Amino acid sequence: DVKVTQSSRYLVKRTGEKVFLECVQDMDHENMFWYRQDPGLGLRLIYFSYDVKMKEKGDIPEGYSVSREKKERFSLILESASTNQTSMYLCASRGFRRDRGPLGSGYEQYFGPGTRLTVT
Amino acid sequence: GENVEQHPSTLSVQEGDSAVIKCTYSDSASNYFPWYKQELGKGPQLIIDIRSNVGEKKDQRIAVTLNKTAKHFSLHITETQPEDSAVYFCAASRGSSNTGKLIFGQGTTLQVKP
Repeated sequence: DVKVTQSSRYLVKRTGEKVFLECVQDMDHENMFWYRQDPGLGLRLIYFSYDVKMKEKGDIPEGYSVSREKKERFSLILESASTNQTSMYLCASRGFRRDRGPLGSGYEQYFGPGTRLTVT
Repeated sequence: GENVEQHPSTLSVQEGDSAVIKCTYSDSASNYFPWYKQELGKGPQLIIDIRSNVGEKKDQRIAVTLNKTAKHFSLHITETQPEDSAVYFCAASRGSSNTGKLIFGQGTTLQVKP
């Protein structure tokens, strides 16, 4: 089974702090994603990485940066946390799924359990 | 920019009834449409997907339909059970699915009452 883990389930930080959110996948996937999830807004893409040291801005990159030094690890960095960055953060990795019954084979994004970040 | 609209935002049904969630997309080049289910305290998990060369796909109690002309796709759950209660997200590929990037809808909270 694909496993995507995130470093913390809950995190409370103060305004102005530098925050690191880490994500690790164990399936040698090339593509990894960081999303934030807010009620009524769905999942919005912050950053995307298509390989080690390769990254691309998503829809809402302002206030965030990322690091991908190793294939299995994708880190999201809040340089100076602000209250409007209080949210649920979801990491995903994308890989090829072998035939899984009715879903068949194809590429799939696998999500971690999320980190609920509160900035006070 | 490109977007995906999802309705309704909340849906409450009686156990055994059917539930339908609808999405519309704006990117004409989208060709892959997955549906994710997010249970409390967990990340979203893929439950069914459809590609633009197919109009309908079914897996036991869930089915997805796609109308490319109207840019609509829908999730149908029949004979709902309490364990179907969750948040459901639709998504559409950004352009061709080769990029792997998706645009997500706003989510639907489904409550199935026993």
